[in-house]
Amino acid sequence: GAVVSQHPSWVICKSGTSVKIECRSLDFQATTMFWYRQFPKQSLMLMATSNEGSKATYEQGVEKDKFLINHASLTLSTLTVTSAHPEDSSFYICSALRGGTDTQYFGPGTRLTVL
Amino acid sequence: GDSVTQMEGPVTLSEEAFLTINCTYTATGYPSLFWYVQYPGEGLQLLLKATKADDKGSNKGFEATYRKETTSFHLEKGSVQVSDSAVYFCALSGSSFNTDKLIFGTGTRLQVFP
Repeated sequence: GAVVSQHPSWVICKSGTSVKIECRSLDFQATTMFWYRQFPKQSLMLMATSNEGSKATYEQGVEKDKFLINHASLTLSTLTVTSAHPEDSSFYICSALRGGTDTQYFGPGTRLTVL
Repeated sequence: GDSVTQMEGPVTLSEEAFLTINCTYTATGYPSLFWYVQYPGEGLQLLLKATKADDKGSNKGFEATYRKETTSFHLEKGSVQVSDSAVYFCALSGSSFNTDKLIFGTGTRLQVFP
């Protein structure tokens, strides 16, 4: 149990376009999901905390208008990178907090390359 | 603020060697402590966790003991395999000001050679 999926696993897009990444908890409900960004050979940087039915909470320095987060249901959160630029190229990872526990379960990540 | 410090890598070992990856933390309150592993090209997988002092987390031959007196959560394995090659992240959550957020260390890359 406690499986989290992400889609797509990789995406290449042109500069200026928008890209949507989905994060789903497959076998449990998650009132809270998290979005991270990971640069090569570095640790994870928390971008935002996504709560079902409410606005996401963004970490300092993360542009909320650029990284749109929607937590539409207890099993789905989406991250939309708007007007993507090459500097947005990165590995984006989501996690879901299993209800009643303090354990986050991570998705496999999405590699975004902006040309 | 809360923080996690891990030993820098890479750690390079021969198969069947003993592994220790050091992790210390700074936190207010009583955090839970975690080790996550990231295999090449993949997301993070929970390896083990401990929620209170003196708890020992264990999984797949890996162990870590929550030491409040030394604020440490060192990862150990008695005999590593090539398949253990990955990046290991120590993390904490649940301290007084930090509820559900995970605070990660910088990660330690382990390379095991046959």
